[in-house]
Amino acid sequence: KQEVTQIPAALSVPEGENLVLNCSFTDSAIYNLQWFRQDPGKGLTSLLLIQSSQREQTSGRLNASLDKSSGRSTLYIAASQPGDSATYLCAVRKETSGSRLTFGEGTQLTVNP
Amino acid sequence: SQTIHQWPATLVQPVGSPLSLECTVEGTSNPNLYWYRQAAGRGLQLLFYSVGIGQISSEVPQNLSASRPQDRQFILSSKKLLLSDSGFYLCAWSVRGGKEKLFFGSGTQLSVL
Repeated sequence: KQEVTQIPAALSVPEGENLVLNCSFTDSAIYNLQWFRQDPGKGLTSLLLIQSSQREQTSGRLNASLDKSSGRSTLYIAASQPGDSATYLCAVRKETSGSRLTFGEGTQLTVNP
Repeated sequence: SQTIHQWPATLVQPVGSPLSLECTVEGTSNPNLYWYRQAAGRGLQLLFYSVGIGQISSEVPQNLSASRPQDRQFILSSKKLLLSDSGFYLCAWSVRGGKEKLFFGSGTQLSVL
Protein backbone atom coordinates (compact mmCIF):
# COMPACT_ATOMS: atom_id res chain seq x y z
CA LYS A 1 0.00 0.00 0.00
CA GLN A 2 1.34 3.40 -1.00
CA GLU A 3 2.05 5.78 1.86
CA VAL A 4 2.91 9.43 1.43
CA THR A 5 4.63 11.42 4.16
CA GLN A 6 5.23 15.14 4.28
CA ILE A 7 7.80 16.71 6.55
CA PRO A 8 7.61 19.06 8.32
CA ALA A 9 3.94 19.17 9.29
CA ALA A 10 4.23 22.90 9.89
CA LEU A 11 6.79 25.53 8.99
CA SER A 12 7.08 29.21 9.87
CA VAL A 13 9.61 31.41 8.07
CA PRO A 14 10.29 35.14 7.66
CA GLU A 15 9.41 36.80 4.39
CA GLY A 16 12.07 36.54 1.70
CA GLU A 17 13.47 33.22 2.80
CA ASN A 18 13.95 30.35 0.39
CA LEU A 19 12.42 27.12 1.66
CA VAL A 20 12.02 23.45 0.86
CA LEU A 21 9.04 21.20 1.53
CA ASN A 22 9.55 17.47 1.50
CA CYS A 23 7.41 14.60 0.31
CA SER A 24 8.32 10.92 0.48
CA PHE A 25 6.47 7.87 -0.81
CA THR A 26 6.96 4.20 -0.09
CA ASP A 27 6.27 2.67 -3.51
CA SER A 28 8.47 4.05 -6.28
CA ALA A 29 6.26 2.62 -9.04
CA ILE A 30 4.45 5.89 -9.62
CA TYR A 31 2.90 7.40 -12.74
CA ASN A 32 3.20 11.00 -11.62
CA LEU A 33 3.34 13.27 -8.59
CA GLN A 34 1.35 16.44 -8.10
CA TRP A 35 1.85 19.34 -5.68
CA PHE A 36 -1.19 21.30 -4.49
CA ARG A 37 -1.83 24.37 -2.43
CA GLN A 38 -4.83 24.65 -0.10
CA ASP A 39 -5.94 27.85 1.58
CA PRO A 40 -8.04 27.52 4.77
CA GLY A 41 -11.56 26.37 3.99
CA LYS A 42 -10.89 26.24 0.27
CA GLY A 43 -10.34 23.64 -2.38
CA LEU A 44 -6.97 22.52 -3.69
CA THR A 45 -5.12 24.40 -6.38
CA SER A 46 -2.74 22.42 -8.56
CA LEU A 47 0.76 23.88 -8.56
CA LEU A 48 2.98 21.45 -10.41
CA LEU A 49 2.71 17.97 -11.89
CA ILE A 50 5.79 15.85 -12.54
CA GLN A 51 5.60 12.75 -14.68
CA SER A 52 7.64 9.76 -13.49
CA SER A 53 10.07 10.24 -16.39
CA GLN A 54 10.79 13.84 -15.39
CA ARG A 55 13.24 15.16 -12.81
CA GLU A 56 11.74 18.57 -12.14
CA GLN A 57 9.14 21.13 -13.06
CA THR A 58 9.22 24.89 -12.57
CA SER A 59 6.54 27.54 -12.36
CA GLY A 60 7.54 31.04 -11.36
CA ARG A 61 9.11 30.93 -7.89
CA LEU A 62 8.23 27.26 -7.48
CA ASN A 63 10.42 24.32 -8.42
CA ALA A 64 9.45 20.72 -7.80
CA SER A 65 11.92 17.87 -8.12
CA LEU A 66 11.35 14.14 -8.25
CA ASP A 67 13.72 11.31 -7.35
CA LYS A 68 11.59 8.33 -8.15
CA SER A 69 14.14 5.69 -7.15
CA SER A 70 14.50 7.08 -3.64
CA GLY A 71 10.82 7.87 -3.30
CA ARG A 72 11.24 11.58 -2.74
CA SER A 73 10.01 14.90 -4.05
CA THR A 74 10.78 18.42 -2.92
CA LEU A 75 8.97 21.68 -3.50
CA TYR A 76 11.30 24.65 -3.47
CA ILE A 77 9.80 28.10 -2.93
CA ALA A 78 12.10 31.01 -3.68
CA ALA A 79 11.85 34.41 -2.01
CA SER A 80 8.80 33.48 0.05
CA GLN A 81 5.97 35.99 0.51
CA PRO A 82 3.14 36.24 3.06
CA GLY A 83 0.75 35.28 0.25
CA ASP A 84 2.48 31.91 0.06
CA SER A 85 1.02 31.01 3.46
CA ALA A 86 -1.13 27.92 2.95
CA THR A 87 -1.06 24.15 3.33
CA TYR A 88 0.94 22.37 0.65
CA LEU A 89 0.03 18.79 -0.25
CA CYS A 90 1.72 16.29 -2.46
CA ALA A 91 -0.06 13.37 -4.08
CA VAL A 92 1.22 10.40 -6.06
CA ARG A 93 -0.53 8.36 -8.67
CA LYS A 94 0.59 4.75 -8.81
CA GLU A 95 1.24 3.23 -12.20
CA THR A 96 -1.49 0.66 -11.91
CA SER A 97 -3.89 2.50 -9.63
CA GLY A 98 -6.19 3.79 -12.32
CA SER A 99 -7.62 7.01 -11.04
CA ARG A 100 -6.39 6.80 -7.46
CA LEU A 101 -4.20 9.46 -5.93
CA THR A 102 -2.58 8.97 -2.55
CA PHE A 103 -2.20 12.23 -0.64
CA GLY A 104 0.17 13.27 2.09
CA GLU A 105 -1.24 15.13 5.06
CA GLY A 106 0.38 18.37 4.02
CA THR A 107 2.79 20.97 5.31
CA GLN A 108 1.23 24.09 6.80
CA LEU A 109 3.39 27.03 5.78
CA THR A 110 3.30 30.44 7.41
CA VAL A 111 5.38 33.26 5.94
CA ASN A 112 5.69 36.14 8.36
CA PRO A 113 5.99 39.74 7.10
CA SER B 1 -11.52 27.22 -20.19
CA GLN B 2 -12.69 24.56 -17.81
CA THR B 3 -14.40 25.35 -14.53
CA ILE B 4 -15.81 23.23 -11.74
CA HIS B 5 -18.72 24.28 -9.59
CA GLN B 6 -19.53 22.76 -6.24
CA TRP B 7 -22.31 23.71 -3.88
CA PRO B 8 -23.27 24.49 -1.23
CA ALA B 9 -20.13 25.95 0.36
CA THR B 10 -21.29 25.13 3.88
CA LEU B 11 -23.99 22.88 5.22
CA VAL B 12 -25.22 22.06 8.71
CA GLN B 13 -27.44 19.01 8.93
CA PRO B 14 -28.95 17.03 11.81
CA VAL B 15 -28.08 13.38 12.31
CA GLY B 16 -30.41 11.15 10.32
CA SER B 17 -31.21 13.73 7.66
CA PRO B 18 -30.53 13.18 3.94
CA LEU B 19 -27.67 14.75 1.99
CA SER B 20 -27.19 15.85 -1.57
CA LEU B 21 -24.07 17.64 -2.75
CA GLU B 22 -23.74 18.57 -6.39
CA CYS B 23 -20.76 19.17 -8.62
CA THR B 24 -20.71 20.23 -12.26
CA VAL B 25 -17.87 20.73 -14.69
CA GLU B 26 -17.92 23.13 -17.63
CA GLY B 27 -15.71 23.41 -20.66
CA THR B 28 -14.76 19.77 -21.10
CA SER B 29 -16.34 16.49 -22.14
CA ASN B 30 -16.02 12.98 -20.74
CA PRO B 31 -14.08 13.98 -17.63
CA ASN B 32 -13.13 11.63 -14.85
CA LEU B 33 -14.94 12.83 -11.73
CA TYR B 34 -14.05 12.33 -8.09
CA TRP B 35 -15.42 12.89 -4.59
CA TYR B 36 -12.88 13.31 -1.79
CA ARG B 37 -13.37 13.89 1.93
CA GLN B 38 -10.94 15.76 4.14
CA ALA B 39 -11.51 15.25 7.85
CA ALA B 40 -10.01 17.66 10.36
CA GLY B 41 -6.31 16.94 10.83
CA ARG B 42 -6.29 14.16 8.25
CA GLY B 43 -5.38 13.79 4.62
CA LEU B 44 -7.70 13.53 1.67
CA GLN B 45 -9.60 10.29 1.27
CA LEU B 46 -10.99 9.26 -2.09
CA LEU B 47 -14.64 8.30 -1.72
CA PHE B 48 -15.86 7.75 -5.28
CA TYR B 49 -14.66 8.16 -8.82
CA SER B 50 -16.42 7.92 -12.14
CA VAL B 51 -15.14 7.41 -15.67
CA GLY B 52 -18.53 7.87 -17.34
CA ILE B 53 -22.28 8.31 -16.95
CA GLY B 54 -23.63 5.76 -14.51
CA GLN B 55 -20.17 4.33 -13.82
CA ILE B 56 -19.25 4.74 -10.17
CA SER B 57 -16.42 3.13 -8.24
CA SER B 58 -16.47 3.21 -4.47
CA GLU B 59 -13.20 3.28 -2.62
CA VAL B 60 -14.36 2.74 0.94
CA PRO B 61 -17.49 1.23 2.47
CA GLN B 62 -19.52 3.98 4.04
CA ASN B 63 -22.82 5.67 4.56
CA LEU B 64 -22.56 7.63 1.30
CA SER B 65 -23.37 7.01 -2.34
CA ALA B 66 -22.60 8.78 -5.59
CA SER B 67 -24.34 9.15 -8.92
CA ARG B 68 -23.47 10.58 -12.32
CA PRO B 69 -26.72 11.30 -14.15
CA GLN B 70 -25.06 13.44 -16.81
CA ASP B 71 -21.58 13.56 -18.31
CA ARG B 72 -20.48 16.59 -16.32
CA GLN B 73 -22.58 16.19 -13.18
CA PHE B 74 -21.55 14.27 -10.08
CA ILE B 75 -23.75 13.97 -6.99
CA LEU B 76 -22.85 12.78 -3.50
CA SER B 77 -25.76 11.55 -1.40
CA SER B 78 -26.76 9.98 1.85
CA LYS B 79 -30.14 8.76 3.04
CA LYS B 80 -29.30 9.24 6.73
CA LEU B 81 -26.31 11.26 7.88
CA LEU B 82 -24.10 10.14 10.75
CA LEU B 83 -21.96 12.31 13.01
CA SER B 84 -18.89 10.74 11.42
CA ASP B 85 -19.92 12.09 8.00
CA SER B 86 -18.82 15.58 9.06
CA GLY B 87 -15.92 16.88 7.04
CA PHE B 88 -14.80 18.90 4.07
CA TYR B 89 -16.01 17.38 0.80
CA LEU B 90 -14.20 18.11 -2.42
CA CYS B 91 -15.20 17.35 -5.98
CA ALA B 92 -12.49 17.06 -8.61
CA TRP B 93 -12.08 16.28 -12.27
CA SER B 94 -9.35 15.21 -14.65
CA VAL B 95 -9.00 14.76 -18.39
CA ARG B 96 -9.61 11.14 -19.27
CA GLY B 97 -6.58 9.46 -20.77
CA GLY B 98 -4.29 12.40 -20.12
CA LYS B 99 -1.76 12.98 -17.41
CA GLU B 100 -4.62 12.79 -14.93
CA LYS B 101 -3.85 16.21 -13.56
CA LEU B 102 -6.49 16.83 -10.93
CA PHE B 103 -8.54 20.03 -10.64
CA PHE B 104 -10.59 20.63 -7.50
CA GLY B 105 -13.78 22.47 -6.68
CA SER B 106 -14.03 24.91 -3.80
CA GLY B 107 -15.37 22.33 -1.35
CA THR B 108 -18.35 21.91 0.95
CA GLN B 109 -17.91 22.06 4.71
CA LEU B 110 -20.46 19.64 6.15
CA SER B 111 -21.26 19.66 9.86
CA VAL B 112 -23.54 16.93 11.14
CA LEU B 113 -24.96 17.75 14.56
